[in-house]
Amino acid sequence: DVKVTQSSRYLVKRTGEKVFLECVQDMDHENMFWYRQDPGLGLRLIYFSYDVKMKEKGDIPEGYSVSREKKERFSLILESASTNQTSMYLCASSPAGSNQPQHFGDGTRLSIL
Amino acid sequence: DQQVKQNSPSLSVQEGRISILNCDYTNSMFDYFLWYKKYPAEGPTFLISISSIKDKNEDGRFTVFLNKSAKHLSLHIVPSQPGDSAVYFCAASGNTAGKLIFGQGTTLQVKP
Repeated sequence: DVKVTQSSRYLVKRTGEKVFLECVQDMDHENMFWYRQDPGLGLRLIYFSYDVKMKEKGDIPEGYSVSREKKERFSLILESASTNQTSMYLCASSPAGSNQPQHFGDGTRLSIL
Repeated sequence: DQQVKQNSPSLSVQEGRISILNCDYTNSMFDYFLWYKKYPAEGPTFLISISSIKDKNEDGRFTVFLNKSAKHLSLHIVPSQPGDSAVYFCAASGNTAGKLIFGQGTTLQVKP
């Protein structure tokens, strides 16, 4: 069974702080993804990665960066947190290739004060 | 530009009846479609998928229908159960990268 683990379920930070969200998957998946979920907007892709040290911008990358130093770990970084980055953040992974479902972690509810 | 749309924010049905959730898409290059279910404070769970070479896929109480000419897919849940109450997201993919485009979600409430 695929397990995607996000390091924190709830996080409260202050504006201007640098915030790290960590995600680890245990199925040796090549692809990893970061989304944010906001009411009425569904899931929006922030960044994704096909392989170690590879990263691609998603639909809303502004204000975020990512790091993938190891295959199983994909980190999302908020360079200087702002209140409009308060959201639910979801990490997902999938095997390489097309027509594969993504498997999600339980999410991190991030509040920026 | 929303490429995948779920136009009904919410749906309420009686236990035992059919639930039909709808999804429209605009990109004719999409060739793989999925439905996810999400409970509060949990991540989305994969439910069922369909490739564009098919028009129907069934898994137990869940059936997904795809109408390519109308660019429309639907998820049927029969019979609906109170435990099916959740937010349902449809998603679509049209490349080899595994990237998915999600709809806004529909909140299903199944009343006992």
